[in-house]
Amino acid sequence: QVQLVESGGGLVKPGGSLRLSCAASGFTFSDYYMSWIRQTPGKGLEWVSHISGSGSSINYADSVKGRFTISRDNAKNSLYLQMNSLRAEDTAVYYCASYSGSPHWDGMDVWGQGTTVTVSS
Amino acid sequence: QSVLTQPPSVSGAPGQRVTISCSGSSSSIGAGYGVNWYQQLPGTAPKLLIFGDSNRPSGVPDRFSGSKSGTSASLAITGLQAEDEADYYCQSYDSSLSVVFGGGTKLTVL
Repeated sequence: QVQLVESGGGLVKPGGSLRLSCAASGFTFSDYYMSWIRQTPGKGLEWVSHISGSGSSINYADSVKGRFTISRDNAKNSLYLQMNSLRAEDTAVYYCASYSGSPHWDGMDVWGQGTTVTVSS
Repeated sequence: QSVLTQPPSVSGAPGQRVTISCSGSSSSIGAGYGVNWYQQLPGTAPKLLIFGDSNRPSGVPDRFSGSKSGTSASLAITGLQAEDEADYYCQSYDSSLSVVFGGGTKLTVL
């Protein structure tokens, strides 16, 4: 079945780095835009970044631009988020999600279960 | 604060109809980008409820409907049921090349 499974979350000190992974299965991964969305405990959803199926188009939220890097390996059906210079405000549950079509129009119809990132000394 | 504005909470009795509003701007909803709605039950990942303003993914009951006008959108839920109690988020795209979410609305079924 269609599935996304995140991994790589954990506890990291401010200024540290972490790499999140998202393993996709059950669909043709390379055909779809993929995104990272985060949710602070008890708060709302915040889009972090997304990448086109080929990897040629990438966008970031201003809050992470220059610190986070999204990438994908279509041969491995995997999505990644390299997070550097982490701050306390990056503490959140991070979800990977796939768009059903274009980010301009369609929603994100498949979501992972989330992985928790805690930035604290 | 969120780029899209939603009421923090709404409530209704079983069987009633409730609506959740989502207010954007001329660079987001008003620019013609699609509005999508998600339902998030406690402790779970969001679930796509409405895409492209008013379309339902397969499996979503027709009690849920979406509409858009100008720079705003709405989610309507008819025949309210206890299991509809959840957080609801609207989402669209912004001309600044970013995806934007509303702050979320907590629906309480009385």
